[in-house]
Amino acid sequence: AQKVTQAQTEISVVEKEDVTLDCVYETRDTTYYLFWYKQPPSGELVFLIRRNSFDEQNEISGRYSWNFQKSTSSFNFTITASQVVDSAVYFCALSELIAGNMLTFGGGTRLMVKP
Amino acid sequence: NAGVMQNPRHLVRRRGQEARLRCSPMKGHSHVYWYRQLPEEGLKFMVYLQKENIIDESGMPKERFSAEFPKEGPSILRIQQVVRGDSAAYFCASSPPWRELNTEAFFGQGTRLTVV
Repeated sequence: AQKVTQAQTEISVVEKEDVTLDCVYETRDTTYYLFWYKQPPSGELVFLIRRNSFDEQNEISGRYSWNFQKSTSSFNFTITASQVVDSAVYFCALSELIAGNMLTFGGGTRLMVKP
Repeated sequence: NAGVMQNPRHLVRRRGQEARLRCSPMKGHSHVYWYRQLPEEGLKFMVYLQKENIIDESGMPKERFSAEFPKEGPSILRIQQVVRGDSAAYFCASSPPWRELNTEAFFGQGTRLTVV
């Protein structure tokens, strides 16, 4: 069975601070995908990244970066120089390769960025 | 290219009524996924469909819930005899066939169901 744990239910930072959202996963599969989604107050789900289990390279996209560590089953997400618009709930998710887009989501981390 | 369209965005039903949630996938997408998000929780997978077929319904409650994706028209998630515990946001996602085009699913904006 798959499981995704986001231990931080809520984080509050002041604008311009860096913040890291943790994600730990469990799976018996050797081949899988990891995802991050953002859910702003308006409620829609915004896709941020997908990473497959063969690719442990870290990724940077603007102020966002992701650290995938297979050895610790973690896929952490860092926002550098946070902004008020980053305030949202962030979800980490996992799927088996064969399962395609049937995702197992973590419980989410609510990030509040204060001016 | 319109995204995944869900309607209605908000739906209020009295206990015992039926709720019908619709999802029109992105153009060219033949696979649809339904997820449920209970208040203050993460999303839970419910069902995975392709046209005229249910691929995986391991997340669907055994009673009162059903889903279809006909050859023509949107995918429908149907909840019969709704109860207060069904109040949630229901999200639909669509993708091309996984093996043909290895891409992530795109989510709709969700339908927020309130049972009063």
